[in-house]
Parts: sequence; C-alpha cells; structure tokens
Amino acid sequence: EVQLVESGGGLVQPGGSLRLSCTGSGFTFSDFWMSWVRQVPGKGLEWVANIKKDGSETSYIDSVRGRFTISRDNDKKSLFLHMNNLRAEDTGVYYCARDKWTLFLHCGLDVWGQGTTVTVSS
Amino acid sequence: NFMLTQPHSVSGSPGKTITISCTRSSGSIASNYVQWYQKRPGSAPATVIFEDSQRPSGVPDRFSGSIDDSSNSASLTISGLKTEDEGDYFCQSYDAHTQGLVFGGGTKVTVL
Repeated sequence: EVQLVESGGGLVQPGGSLRLSCTGSGFTFSDFWMSWVRQVPGKGLEWVANIKKDGSETSYIDSVRGRFTISRDNDKKSLFLHMNNLRAEDTGVYYCARDKWTLFLHCGLDVWGQGTTVTVSS
Repeated sequence: NFMLTQPHSVSGSPGKTITISCTRSSGSIASNYVQWYQKRPGSAPATVIFEDSQRPSGVPDRFSGSIDDSSNSASLTISGLKTEDEGDYFCQSYDAHTQGLVFGGGTKVTVL
C-alpha cells in the first residue's frame, strides 16, 4: 500500500523551532518530487514548499522563505520540514504529499499523509 | 504569480447537479493542469479530478471536470448529488514561474 506518515507536530512558542518528518512506503520514494501543504484552522489549503527527487531544487511560498527548510533523505524514504522562527499564523495541520508529473507538466498531489498538527502559541 | 478564485459555497438538493468554478487571475488556465480535491474535516485531501478532467479510480463518474479558455476557468460538476458529497472542494494548479502550487480558496458544498 502506498502511504505517507507524518510526525513531529506539537505545541511551540512563537519564535521557536520544530522539525516535521514524513516517511513514505509502498513506492520508490526517490522517483518523486514531494511537497508540504498546510491548512490553517478554518481556512483553505496552502502549499508551503516542494523538493525535487534528488533534493537539488527547492521552492517555498513567500511567507515561509528564509524560515522553513525542506529536505529529504531518500535512503530513509523520508521528507523533512525544518521550521524556525515560528509565528502564530503558522498554526495548522501540515500534510506531506507526493507530486505527480507527466512529462513536463505537473499533475497535482496524488498521495497525502494524514497530517500532523502544529500549534504556535505562548 | 496568479490566483485561483472559487465561490465560497454551493448547495444543492440530493439528486441535483452543481458546478463549482475556479477562475485563474492571469495567464492561461490551459497552461498547466487543474486538479480538484475533496476535503472533509479530520481527513486528508483526496483527489476527485486530475489533469483537468481525469477521474482517479474509485471516484464515481458523477464527478466531472473541464476547463474553458474563454472564461479562463476550470469547473467541477457533481451530478446526482449525495449527502456523502458534502465537504470542501479545492482547485489547484501549478505556477511554472515560482515552481510552486496554487490552491483556490475552497468551496463548501452543502447537500440540502
């Protein structure tokens, strides 16, 4: 079964740090771009960051660039999101997801984890 | 950069047909595929349409997607509406300029 499982969420004070992890199984992890997507309470889905198959390219939404770092360890089939200088507005459920590509066209996110909750509050 | 705009809510009676629009603010809607995700509280998002109009296996053919160049928008149509279709629906496309994904604001579907 193709599966993604996140961990690492929790309660952290503003300005603090947290590292989220996501482990994949049932597919060749190194063959896929991966993304982090979050949902702020009561609001919509927001793409946060993505990373190329070999980790050589990354992209971020403007609001997290310079504070968050996406990385991966293909040998361990794992994806990470290092979050520094956290703000209240970073509170939400964070999902890791597998990117799907056809030739050179992005076809969305076809596998999602169950999500891990991050709460930034004093 | 572009935005995807959806109506906040759409409702319909069981058995009826509803359509959710997703309008791209700049650039062609056809330049990158549009996907649609269903999101229920406490559950991960699930794809109901990918590559503008394709249905994943397991998604009933009551769900259909299309794009319209003239209005620069995508649409998700749900026919034969069922109570199980309630939830939030998000459109999504890719921004080749930023190499990031763009989500619409989401549409809450209510089955009356």
